[in-house]
Amino acid sequence: ELKLVESGGGLVQPGGSLRLSCADSGFILGRYAMSWVRQAPGKGPEWVSGISASGDTTHYADSVRGRFTISRDNSKNTLYLQMNSLRAEDTAVYYCAHIIVLVAADYWGQGTQVTVSA
Amino acid sequence: DIQMTQSPSSLSASVGDRITITCRASQGITNDLGWYQQKPGKVPKRLIYAASSLQSGVPSRFSGSGSGTEFTLTISSLQPEDFATYYCLLHDSHLFTFGGGTKVEIK
Repeated sequence: ELKLVESGGGLVQPGGSLRLSCADSGFILGRYAMSWVRQAPGKGPEWVSGISASGDTTHYADSVRGRFTISRDNSKNTLYLQMNSLRAEDTAVYYCAHIIVLVAADYWGQGTQVTVSA
Repeated sequence: DIQMTQSPSSLSASVGDRITITCRASQGITNDLGWYQQKPGKVPKRLIYAASSLQSGVPSRFSGSGSGTEFTLTISSLQPEDFATYYCLLHDSHLFTFGGGTKVEIK
């Protein structure tokens, strides 16, 4: 079972950068394709980015393509999201998750808050 | 990209009521769809996967159905703990799309 804990959130100015991390204390992260999902205040969840289990394939929502980069280090059981050129509309709780809807397994972290404000 | 339209955006119902929430896709999809429940301040919890399979531990009053472009989540007898917001989630190719959400409130 994946046990996911996100970190790296915080307050950043518009145009700034942050790197989020998601660690798996169950040490099996490398088996799973993973995603980052965010949820802005009062809004529904929004899928942001996904990466294959090996890390060789990545995908992005149009809203973040070219600004965000997803990556992983399976030797460290850790998933990352590098966020550059941050905007106010990127303010949200960011979750790492395994959300393949064709299978029963569904794992989410507790989320980390990112606030973009001057 | 496939667009998902979820309806209604909100509904008021009483304990014991049967309710149905619908997600419509802009083009036909397989069964690559799930349903989530979210309560304020909590992480989304999946109820249904593969359009109609009940997640382990989820009460049997929840059910999912549909194919092609229309999918539904039904709660057969609404319980007090079911008042929450519900989202569908489509997985198409390598992209995921959440529906806009349905807030279920107490009448």
